Amino acid sequence: EVQLVESGGTLVQPGGSLRLSCEASGFTFSKYAMSWVRQAPGKGLEWVTTISGNGGTTYYADSVKGRFTISRDNSRNNVYVQMSSLRAEDTALYYCATSGVTTGFEYWGQGTLVSVSS
Amino acid sequence: QSALTQPASMSGSPGQSITISCTGTSSDVGYYGLVSWYQQHPLKAPKLIIFGANKRPSGVSNRFSGSTSGNTASLTISGLQAEDEADYYCCSYAGSNSFVVFGGGTKLTVL
Repeated sequence: EVQLVESGGTLVQPGGSLRLSCEASGFTFSKYAMSWVRQAPGKGLEWVTTISGNGGTTYYADSVKGRFTISRDNSRNNVYVQMSSLRAEDTALYYCATSGVTTGFEYWGQGTLVSVSS
Repeated sequence: QSALTQPASMSGSPGQSITISCTGTSSDVGYYGLVSWYQQHPLKAPKLIIFGANKRPSGVSNRFSGSTSGNTASLTISGLQAEDEADYYCCSYAGSNSFVVFGGGTKLTVL
């Protein structure tokens, strides 16, 4: 059974930093690109960032480019997103998901909540 | 990258069919045609129901079908059931610069 478990969400002050983690199991992790998708309270889904299976290629939404960094550790089946210079508009539930250009976001975690507020 | 355009809300009666549209541009839906659709019930994670514009993952009901025409993708749900009441999001691949873009979501109410 595929499982994605996010962690690391918390309340952080504007301008602060945070690292989210997503632990994967039930599939060959290194063969899948992984993404973070967020959902602000009461709002729709927003793609944030994606990393290729071998970690060599990364993509970022314009809204987080230069502030967020995605990485992965295939030996630990984990994907991370390091978030810095956080803003109130980064407040959201952050989902980890497997991703493919042709297959879409196939598997999702349950999300971890990030709140940016003073 | 602008979001894809979906109707904010739609409704239908049990047994009816409804079609949710998703309008993009010639840089995403119209060029690549790689559209996926997601169903999200309240307080739940999204669930993939259509990928590659018209393919269903294993286990997804065949009442769900997808298509594209030009810059517009569509999700059709036939034989509406109460359990279909949810938010639906489309998503399109948009090339290596923008990667993907989501629609704003459609809240489906089953009357």
